[in-house]
Amino acid sequence: ETGVTQTPRHLVMGMTNKKSLKCEQHLGHNAMYWYKQSAKKPLELMFVYNFKEQTENNSVPSRFSPECPNSSHLFLHLHTLQPEDSALYLCASSHISDNEQFFGPGTRLTVL
Amino acid sequence: QKEVEQDPGPLSVPEGAIVSLNCTYSNSAFQYFMWYRQYSRKGPELLMYTYSSGNKEDGRFTAQVDKSSKYISLFIRDSQPSDSATYLCATNAGNNRKLIWGLGTSLAVNP
Repeated sequence: ETGVTQTPRHLVMGMTNKKSLKCEQHLGHNAMYWYKQSAKKPLELMFVYNFKEQTENNSVPSRFSPECPNSSHLFLHLHTLQPEDSALYLCASSHISDNEQFFGPGTRLTVL
Repeated sequence: QKEVEQDPGPLSVPEGAIVSLNCTYSNSAFQYFMWYRQYSRKGPELLMYTYSSGNKEDGRFTAQVDKSSKYISLFIRDSQPSDSATYLCATNAGNNRKLIWGLGTSLAVNP
């Protein structure tokens, strides 16, 4: 595997379900990010982790819970989501000192 | 006023055309400017990265920054159908990695 991988690529869940998104980077980076991409909106930064410590939480509702066990892995735990949370969730990584972010292919989430 | 304005298009051009994609921004503190390309069902990939004003060229792509008018452009020469994608501009004020994004412009290059 190379670059940034994300699983699953597609996810359909009900509002009462609990699911997790997984991201793994194979680039030796030390910063990881979760973004939300919705139609007709700019990319929204959700969370930032530096050396597996959370440094940014952009007022994200608590129904989204990130976890970063090490610099290579990032999870987004989902519970009691709303239909408006349906979107493409993108993971990215970078060196901590660099603006250049490398993105995974995203998870297309649909909340019914 | 949005910090970064970008016309979402769609923009449709014939193969071989010169394409001009543009963004405007409001914060004069922005210094780093990026263009990302996003193909359907893929994540964004960095295409061009410039610092401050001026031009940067890479093959058929030229990125241009005009800080006096707060205007950034991406030019694509001899456009190809494989250039069909969404192009996103992004910027920030320092090397803090908190990027401010445009909406993205959808481009279709027709054979």
